[in-house]
Parts: sequence; structure tokens; C-alpha cells
Amino acid sequence: DIQMTQSPSSLSASVGDRVTITCRASQSISSYLNWYQQKPGKAPKLLIYAASSLQSGVPSSFSGSGSGTDFTLTISSLQPEDFATYYCQQSYSAPGTFGQGTKVEIK
Amino acid sequence: EVQLVESGGGLVQPGGSLRLSCAASGFIFSTFGMNWVRQAPGKGLEWVSHISSSGSTIYYADSVKGRFTISRDNAKNSLYLQMSSLRDEDTALYYCARSYDIWSGYDHWGQGTLVTVSS
Repeated sequence: DIQMTQSPSSLSASVGDRVTITCRASQSISSYLNWYQQKPGKAPKLLIYAASSLQSGVPSSFSGSGSGTDFTLTISSLQPEDFATYYCQQSYSAPGTFGQGTKVEIK
Repeated sequence: EVQLVESGGGLVQPGGSLRLSCAASGFIFSTFGMNWVRQAPGKGLEWVSHISSSGSTIYYADSVKGRFTISRDNAKNSLYLQMSSLRDEDTALYYCARSYDIWSGYDHWGQGTLVTVSS
């Protein structure tokens, strides 16, 4: 199975900060990488698919990049509603493994 | 509006069985793959199973293979997860989620149904 490793596991940031989360796959997954946002008590929400494509309705402050084994999710200017846990997921092959999550907290 | 509504969760003893359902509406159900993803209390997301739009292709996580069975009824716009030989570690919130195919992101999720395995 393909392992997905996110870093950091958590971070503290202020409103307006630029935030970057990384995700590394244990083998090449081309661009089959998705990013989700999950807020407490809510279902995950798809932000980015195919590594860099912005899901409809998601603010342009979110962006994704990378291919192969190394990927990043960037929030260009953190807003109050962006404090949440973020997960990467590979969809290159079953099982569609998720990273362990990155919790973005208020500084 | 796309809606996915899970049901069937509850408290079950170890070794017991449970059948989860996911009722879909607001889209052409038969043209999308469907997935089950679970989240243990306070933990991360774990992919459980995928079924293709026609039901002809199915995948399972190793942790549930041989114990869980995914199925769908396109005429009823419904997805199912039959769970048997349940273990303590199967305790989780179970989400159904839509994807175009196995290679796509999950663009719509239900609110989840809680399964608790405990004696």
C-alpha cells in the first residue's frame, strides 16, 4: 500500500499568514493527489483534486502543487474560517490512503 | 443539490453485524463511483471501500477485507456496507462519499453514521 506522510502534524498561525502543508507519498502517484479540509463535527470538504485543480466554490487563496511523490497545499492568506484539519489523499491506486492530517490552529 | 444521507449505525457487540445505508439524491447516482470512509473518535480519515458506478469493480481496505461487503442499488439510488465480525477497532463515524471514479477526489460527503462496537 502507498503511505502518505504529512508535515507538520500541527501548526499555529495568525490571520493573514501564508501557510504551507506538505504531503509525501511512499512511491510515485503522478498527480493523483487530493486535499481536504475538515472542521470539528463536520464531514471533510474537497479543496484540491489532481494535485493542483481547485474544486468549484473553493476560495482562490487555496492552491496545490507537486507531482510524483512530493506535494504542497498553500493557503496564501489565512482567514478565520480556515482554521481546521487538512488531509491529503492519494487516488493513484486502491486503497486510497489518507495522510495523518495537519491541524491548523490560531496563534 | 447533491445529498448523501447515511443511516444504520448503532451499538453492536464484538463479533456482531450491522448494515449501513447511504441514500443519494440530487445527481445521477448510476454514473458515479461511491466510497465508504471512516473516522475513529479523535483520529484521522481511513478509506474503507470503493464501488464503481455499475458495481462491477470493488476495492476494500485490508483491515476490512473478508468482513465487510459494499454494494449498491442504482434503481434505489442507494449504497450499502454490510459489516460482519465487527471488532472494537471498527468503532468509527462512517461516511459515504461520491467520486467520479477510483482516481478522483471525493466531492460530496454525507454527515456520517456512528458505529460503536462494544460489549
